[in-house]
Order: sequence, then C-alpha cells, then structure tokens
Amino acid sequence: SQQGEEDPQALSIQEGENATMNCSYKTSINNLQWYRQNSGRGLVHLILIRSNEREKHSGRLRVTLDTSKKSSSLLITASRAADTASYFCATDARFNKFYFGSGTKLNVKP
Amino acid sequence: DVKVTQSSRYLVKRTGEKVFLECVQDMDHENMFWYRQDPGLGLRLIYFSYDVKMKEKGDIPEGYSVSREKKERFSLILESASTNQTSMYLCASSPSDRFIAGGPTGELFFGEGSRLTVL
Repeated sequence: SQQGEEDPQALSIQEGENATMNCSYKTSINNLQWYRQNSGRGLVHLILIRSNEREKHSGRLRVTLDTSKKSSSLLITASRAADTASYFCATDARFNKFYFGSGTKLNVKP
Repeated sequence: DVKVTQSSRYLVKRTGEKVFLECVQDMDHENMFWYRQDPGLGLRLIYFSYDVKMKEKGDIPEGYSVSREKKERFSLILESASTNQTSMYLCASSPSDRFIAGGPTGELFFGEGSRLTVL
C-alpha cells in the first residue's frame, strides 16, 4: 500500500512549544500534503509540497520533504491550544488517488 | 470559499437498509471523492468521480455504489447496510485545472463528515 504513516501517533506538548510530526510513505509521489482535522469534523488543507521541493513555509508551519528517505515532517512553531487536532499527511502517486495516513493526534496544553 | 456540504452529520440505520449519503459542492469542481475514516486506519478511498456520470473504484468499493448525475452532487449508496459499515464518511472535491501530467496537484476540500451507525 502507498499509504503514509504518521509518527508519533499521539503528541502532547505545552503551549508555546514546537510540535514536530513525521510522515513516511512507500512509493514515488508527485506531491505531499498535510491536513488538519478537529475532532469530529472534516479535514482542512494546510500545505502542499511538491516532489521537487525540499522545504516550504506557511505562517507557523514548516514542512520538509526528503524523497530519498520517502519521508516528510511538519513543524508547528509556538503552538497554541487551538492547534489541538489530528494531523494527516496525504500523498498522490496515482491519478486521482490520494493516500492518507492514520494521523498524529496533537494535544496542546494551555 | 469552497463549500462541500454533506446532507447528514449523524445517521442511525438498521442492518439491511438502503442508505444514501449526499454531498454537494458549490465551486464547480470536476473531481469528487468519498472516503471512510476509521480509528487506526486513516482515510480510505471508496469511490471517486472525475466528471458527471464518470466514476472509478477506490481501494474499498465493496458494498458501496455511487451516483453523479450532476456536477455538483456526488452520492454514496449502501445498498444493504451492514454493521461493518459503521464509520465516518467524508466527501471531498478538487478542481481538475490543477492536474498536470502524472497526477493531480491540487488540494482536497472536505465536507464536515457523516457519522453512520448501523445497528
């Protein structure tokens, strides 16, 4: 399966700390995306990084991609309680098929 | 803003019932998707559609069918619901003008989800 795997499964930090989540995948990709899901809600797109990019920033988010290791990381700097959510990576290598991992559950304590 | 609306947030059905899950998007997207989400398994693709009346099986199509009669609407049908179909169902859409050779490049826009319980 192409499905990405996030690590860790759960992460608990204090407000103000940085949160790092990792994603590994198995086959070549065109791009990798990160999504956020608040409890019981739909997913919201955060950031997309293409296979020829190594790093991308968006506000407090920093994403890296290492295609040789088939891995990506999402860094959330200066976390806030409102960042509490599940975070998913999604990869696409085949037309129209996005593969999601099982997510990292982030808890940011105030 | 793109809006993807799923008709029911919560449904409770009995085994053997026919279930319709409706999804409507208002941004004229060509592509629409149905996923199911289960704890520990992430999101798994059931079906997707890249045009009206066009559909492709995802990774777990068994027990499901879909209908796309209009561009904005994509329905998921459980012909005879079973308890193992108890799950969160998520609809998503994406525009096709971001497709490049080798695969899509655009983001998915998700609805709020429909939590189905089959008793």
